[in-house]
Amino acid sequence: EAQVTQNPRYLITVTGKKLTVTCSQNMNHEYMSWYRQDPGLGLRQIYYSMNVEVTDKGDVPEGYKVSRKEKRNFPLILESPSPNQTSLYFCASSGPGLAGAYEQYFGPGTRLTVT
Amino acid sequence: AQTVTQSQPEMSVQEAETVTLSCTYDTSESDYYLFWYKQPPSRQMILVIRQEAYKQQNATENRFSVNFQKAAKSFSLKISDSQLGDAAMYFCASPIEGGSEKLVFGKGMKLTVNP
Repeated sequence: EAQVTQNPRYLITVTGKKLTVTCSQNMNHEYMSWYRQDPGLGLRQIYYSMNVEVTDKGDVPEGYKVSRKEKRNFPLILESPSPNQTSLYFCASSGPGLAGAYEQYFGPGTRLTVT
Repeated sequence: AQTVTQSQPEMSVQEAETVTLSCTYDTSESDYYLFWYKQPPSRQMILVIRQEAYKQQNATENRFSVNFQKAAKSFSLKISDSQLGDAAMYFCASPIEGGSEKLVFGKGMKLTVNP
């Protein structure tokens, strides 16, 4: 089954404790992306990657890091989480879907709470 | 910056009736796809429908159809015969300048379906 997986699904942590949210896709997509979703703000892109070893900042990259060492994996790293990073996070990969249209496939989301 | 605007943060509809969700966008791309995503309480992002900008014909997927006005950069979603399961947040998305894989999302609209 074609899918994007994220782990963990829920995480409660404390300020300053480094954490990593993993993301993996099995569709051989080149493009992957991280978003955060906050009430009233929609989805905002954090980082994206066009291919292995190619990453770039999105709209809200501050406080986050990513890496893309393998095509299928795109982890999101919070080196020193702060309460303003409490949010719902989505990983997505993009590739040709039906009829050739590029569409984004989303993971199930990770609910992060930083206290 | 590219923008996607969903002017109505919330709407409600009676079961079995029709509702239209509005979306306007701003892109300098000449050939692109537009997307509507649904986010039910499970938080999963589900692709509802896509529209190819170069096609004159409005996209249709069962009870979901699009009213695409390219010149006006308008991309409305019509839901016919609304069902309780249609209750969700709905996001429209448009590609930003520089590539069709990088999307900008609207802030979302919460649809309530009344029995």
